[in-house]
Amino acid sequence: DQQVKQNSPSLSVQEGRISILNCDYTNSMFDYFLWYKKYPAEGPTFLISISSIKDKNEDGRFTVFLNKSAKHLSLHIVPSQPGDSAVYFCAASERYSGTYKYIFGTGTRLKVLA
Amino acid sequence: EPEVTQTPSHQVTQMGQEVILRCVPISNHLYFYWYRQILGQKVEFLVSFYNNEISEKSEIFDDQFSVERPDGSNFTLKIRSTKLEDSAMYFCASARDSANTGELFFGEGSRLTVL
Repeated sequence: DQQVKQNSPSLSVQEGRISILNCDYTNSMFDYFLWYKKYPAEGPTFLISISSIKDKNEDGRFTVFLNKSAKHLSLHIVPSQPGDSAVYFCAASERYSGTYKYIFGTGTRLKVLA
Repeated sequence: EPEVTQTPSHQVTQMGQEVILRCVPISNHLYFYWYRQILGQKVEFLVSFYNNEISEKSEIFDDQFSVERPDGSNFTLKIRSTKLEDSAMYFCASARDSANTGELFFGEGSRLTVL
């Protein structure tokens, strides 16, 4: 049972345009949602997060939107740059038995075309 | 900026051998994790560790796996008898008990190749 889903395995966007990466979840007990960026042979790098009590968080070119009723979040990157080309993982965290439990989606490979 | 460090960056081993992957989490963090990623697949949870004991483990984390925090700074993952299917990138991660972002910080990973 996959609690965090990224249904688009890949996405191509022209440089300067908006990239929108989507993520769906099933567990209403998640308290934070996070986006990570990953280059090949490197560890995931934290990008941005959002608390479940908010619906938007913005940091520079990155904005995350949360729609709790739809159990859906999205990451907007604008303007997209070639250096943004990477695999993006959506993750969700839940307080569980005294610790945090983090569950990752399967990732979306973003390719920004120059 | 504090970071999670992992050693070795790459280890090649023969099937059936024991492997120890080492991690130094960020010093004021309290929660520790191991994840792995088989080439081209998703990042999979292995185990979480808090207050000197395992908090949760996945079905992947069978009796061949163990974790230890021997000296208050290192956090190790041991695979007792490696199998071919253990070949993957292994990522250590840590988190502090934060009410702010819930952020998990990852190391650069250790690539394990089992021949």
